[in-house]
Amino acid sequence: KAGVTQTPRYLIKTRGQQVTLSCSPISGHRSVSWYQQTPGQGLQFLFEYFSETQRNKGNFPGRFSGRQFSNSRSEMNVSTLELGDSALYLCASSTGTGGDGWFFGPGTRLTVL
Amino acid sequence: EDKVVQSPLSLVVHEGDTVTLNCSYEVTNFRSLLWYKQEKKAPTFLFMLTSSGIEKKSGRLSSILDKKELFSILNITATQTGDSAVYLCAVSYSGAGSYQLTFGKGTKLSVIP
Repeated sequence: KAGVTQTPRYLIKTRGQQVTLSCSPISGHRSVSWYQQTPGQGLQFLFEYFSETQRNKGNFPGRFSGRQFSNSRSEMNVSTLELGDSALYLCASSTGTGGDGWFFGPGTRLTVL
Repeated sequence: EDKVVQSPLSLVVHEGDTVTLNCSYEVTNFRSLLWYKQEKKAPTFLFMLTSSGIEKKSGRLSSILDKKELFSILNITATQTGDSAVYLCAVSYSGAGSYQLTFGKGTKLSVIP
């Protein structure tokens, strides 16, 4: 099976812009979770989507949003970018039942200037 | 507040040494504990543990979970330079119909020849 894919792999934006990141889960997986990884905070949960519905959301401002499509692909959007949004954004794929593992994509490295 | 604590935060060993990494947790509605290895890229899945006392093994790596004392250990025997990485512990728990991972800060392992 193909693994989790994320595009783009690298992004450079300026403050105030917005950005959209994409994630395609492992075939057959219906859950996609998003995480932000920074050197200071480690890996922090953003949100989880299952069958096109957001089931859970982490403690991030409303500038962070996401969605999931009927083919389980997911996008996350960050509006009005701030310098502190510079991070590695990881998406993780699972069946969504909690009984198996979460498998991560390669991540998108976002740099905000 | 749910939390996952890993120790030590960093460790330097010589090739051939055996290391033990620790992870303690406090979460409600615990489902499983996962170990990941992260080099300069996305976390790679190592183990998922759901039952106490049952050791999971893969080559030189092994892990065990104690659900009574709320901790897990990851052992690496006969370490090699390729084992140098950050090892992340994550706990899966359920809530509001969703499953998410809470990560520890990681243990940075450096193996020197």
